[in-house]
Amino acid sequence: RKEVEQDPGPFNVPEGATVAFNCTYSNSASQSFFWYRQDCRKEPKLLMSVYSSGNEDGRFTAQLNRASQYISLLIRDSKLSDSATYLCVVSGGSNYKLTFGKGTLLTVNP
Amino acid sequence: SQTIHQWPATLVQPVGSPLSLECTVEGTSNPNLYWYRQAAGRGLQLLFYSVGIGQISSEVPQNLSASRPQDRQFILSSKKLLLSDSGFYLCAWSVSQGEQYFGPGTRLTVT
Repeated sequence: RKEVEQDPGPFNVPEGATVAFNCTYSNSASQSFFWYRQDCRKEPKLLMSVYSSGNEDGRFTAQLNRASQYISLLIRDSKLSDSATYLCVVSGGSNYKLTFGKGTLLTVNP
Repeated sequence: SQTIHQWPATLVQPVGSPLSLECTVEGTSNPNLYWYRQAAGRGLQLLFYSVGIGQISSEVPQNLSASRPQDRQFILSSKKLLLSDSGFYLCAWSVSQGEQYFGPGTRLTVT
């Protein structure tokens, strides 16, 4: 099983749609969880941390299920500017290291 | 506020030539520093990380090396580049556990 596995995508959605990304991780000792976004040919940027109780930041909602080792990201009312690759990120065996999923490409169409 | 710089932004080098990529962080002390590589269409691969001056941990054995001569400076080097070294090289920093913040990256093409 891969350390961090994401939906392969790509996702193509119209503006205003709701889109959900799923991610599973293999290391049950992982303590920190994040979603990053990466625009084409740019560096990854932190989108949001994921907390056990779930958290929301505007149109973005992240959920964590430790028992199932599952993380999700929901984007509501998609904008053209949401088009990017979304990376699921989990702390690795050491607290200094993060493990990145391969990412899911989202294209929001007008 | 913290900022991270990387240079050069792009680089084209012949096979067998040396490499030196530099990363500096401003606005924080004793950060953890990381070098990643992202090959075309692939995920991020952690190459090296450092939790302090002179402390380097290697994640993947290959022809690259890293050094941390100063608290906020991280250097990635190679004596002889291979074609397979082409990719997008990203430096990142963090404090203790938690999220990492990336520099703008260096796009390396080995010809």
